[in-house]
Amino acid sequence: EADIYQTPRYLVIGTGKKITLECSQTMGHDKMYWYQQDPGMELHLIHYSYGVNSTEKGDLSSESTVSRIRTEHFPLTLESARPSHTSQYLCASSEPGADEQFFGPGTRLTVL
Amino acid sequence: GQNIDQPTEMTATEGAIVQINCTYQTSGFNGLFWYQQHAGEAPTFLSYNVLDGLEEKGRFSSFLSRSKGYSYLLLKELQMKDSASYLCAAANSGYALNFGKGTSLLVTP
Repeated sequence: EADIYQTPRYLVIGTGKKITLECSQTMGHDKMYWYQQDPGMELHLIHYSYGVNSTEKGDLSSESTVSRIRTEHFPLTLESARPSHTSQYLCASSEPGADEQFFGPGTRLTVL
Repeated sequence: GQNIDQPTEMTATEGAIVQINCTYQTSGFNGLFWYQQHAGEAPTFLSYNVLDGLEEKGRFSSFLSRSKGYSYLLLKELQMKDSASYLCAAANSGYALNFGKGTSLLVTP
């Protein structure tokens, strides 16, 4: 059983608001990831981290930012949300190497 | 660059066998993953292949041919609960996963 958590699960906010999506894992994994997935579409990697103080942008350009101050915590922030940010955001973590990625339950974000 | 291709939709009958194919083109290949995703839920890991051949795990098996850039997921004794999207993902040299669009499988009675 994977122990990776995301909050909130659902969020509806107005345009221009600053939001932070939380992701935490208790498995001690060094690698963490953020994916964006629109309904019926593929997952797109938007950010990843190989350890504390390491963050990289993924294949899909995103206006969000991330930080990795602690191993277990990988929050994603949108400084000014827009309707185009409406999507599902999935956090994942894995051990070093090409091991399976464990996914959190996701945050479904709607920006009005 | 990365390119993952898999069929968009498939339909099969309960109790039958279904094979979902995936072709990939990726730089620095480090293995092929299959994930299952039910509507509105997070993906869950099914299998990982890095060497050529067949990996069997219960009702699910996965095959990889690195020279052909080809993999398939085989589901046996289909159950209604197997109706879901099946995601093929290739790991690149940095071990980040590049996902295909997924194959939506419908299992009918």
